[in-house]
Amino acid sequence: SQKIEQNSEALNIQEGKTATLTCNYTNYSPAYLQWYRQDPGRGPVFLLLIRENEKEKRKERLKVTFDTTLKQSLFHITASQPADSATYLCALAHNAGNMLTFGGGTRLMVKP
Amino acid sequence: NAGVTQTPKFQVLKTGQSMTLQCAQDMNHNSMYWYRQDPGMGLRLIYYSASEGTTDKGEVPNGYNVSRLNKREFSLRLESAAPSQTSVYFCASSESQAKNIQYFGAGTRLSVL
Repeated sequence: SQKIEQNSEALNIQEGKTATLTCNYTNYSPAYLQWYRQDPGRGPVFLLLIRENEKEKRKERLKVTFDTTLKQSLFHITASQPADSATYLCALAHNAGNMLTFGGGTRLMVKP
Repeated sequence: NAGVTQTPKFQVLKTGQSMTLQCAQDMNHNSMYWYRQDPGMGLRLIYYSASEGTTDKGEVPNGYNVSRLNKREFSLRLESAAPSQTSVYFCASSESQAKNIQYFGAGTRLSVL
């Protein structure tokens, strides 16, 4: 069966360090992958999209990689800040017209 | 610019009661979605509307109905609420299914006793 896995345990890091979150998937051939941020009591907010033919995407302090051979995406936040503390969700789409399927999310805690 | 607005924000129902969750978007988006979010389960798609006048089932449609009232509004109805429907419900919209970056509302926290 199709599965998207994100580490359900919280990731705790020190301010200024790089946070790396993982999204693994099985039985998918996604056309693209998205990352969202969700704060407590709020809806998810879109951050980045990376397509199957792209290896890496950057936006300010954020970087996403996409390895279709390993079936894995890594989400990096460099120079992390306490304000980066949130839950981060990955989402896959089989093809351009298909629905998104979300992973369970990983909670990031950045300590000052 | 309000984006996606959901009402109500909180609701408590008794088993067997019915209610409608409202969602409206002001971004002129074609596609709209209803999800539920449960601890450890992530977001699961209940129903979606690719465009005005169409609706389709998602991953977990049982116990729910939807109406795409017009391009702006997409409502979710629980005809006979069950405790298993206790969850946080999110509405989202996107420009289209092809441009599927989704914009979410703040959610409705529903408890069914």
